[in-house]
Amino acid sequence: GENVEQHPSTLSVQEGDSAVIKCTYSDSASNYFPWYKQELGKRPQLIIDIRSNVGEKKDQRIAVTLNKTAKHFSLHITETQPEDSAVYFCAAVYGGATNKLIFGTGTLLAVQP
Amino acid sequence: KAGVTQTPRYLIKTRGQQVTLSCSPISGHRSVSWYQQTPGQGLQFLFEYFSETQRNKGNFPGRFSGRQFSNSRSEMNVSTLELGDSALYLCASKLSTVFETQYFGPGTRLLVL
Repeated sequence: GENVEQHPSTLSVQEGDSAVIKCTYSDSASNYFPWYKQELGKRPQLIIDIRSNVGEKKDQRIAVTLNKTAKHFSLHITETQPEDSAVYFCAAVYGGATNKLIFGTGTLLAVQP
Repeated sequence: KAGVTQTPRYLIKTRGQQVTLSCSPISGHRSVSWYQQTPGQGLQFLFEYFSETQRNKGNFPGRFSGRQFSNSRSEMNVSTLELGDSALYLCASKLSTVFETQYFGPGTRLLVL
């Protein structure tokens, strides 16, 4: 079916530590994987994305890795700060020609000062 | 450019009633997608409209419907409301293809009593 599994559902880290969130998709044809951050009471915002022709992409303290063979991708946040506390959603494109963006269930990241 | 706007922001209805939510995309964006967000379920895809046509549809019952106007503004309608329809309904707009950044609106919080 069309689903994206995301783990863990909650993650608590100390400020300065790294955080890793993992997602698995089922459609081998999926070729686009964005990550969204939703702060409390706010709308989701794109933070980074990756296409299937790339294995890794970095943007300052954030990186995303993609393993097409295993059909999973991960978000890595280094040197976490309290302002990184939010819900993070991964997503994958499904459907080939229909190209639906299906989201994971989200990870609540809490960065303890 | 103004961001994605949604009206109303909050809504209280009773079971059996119907409701219409509105979304105005960023100027120039032709695609509008709708999502239902509930705790633990993440962002569930409802449907996407592009140039006044439904381009994609999620796995929701026929009580959920939508449309898009020539100015790209979109409406979502839910008929015969059920308690389980209580959720935050988010719309998102993008230029056209799934590979482009999707910008979310602030959402409409619907409470069904």
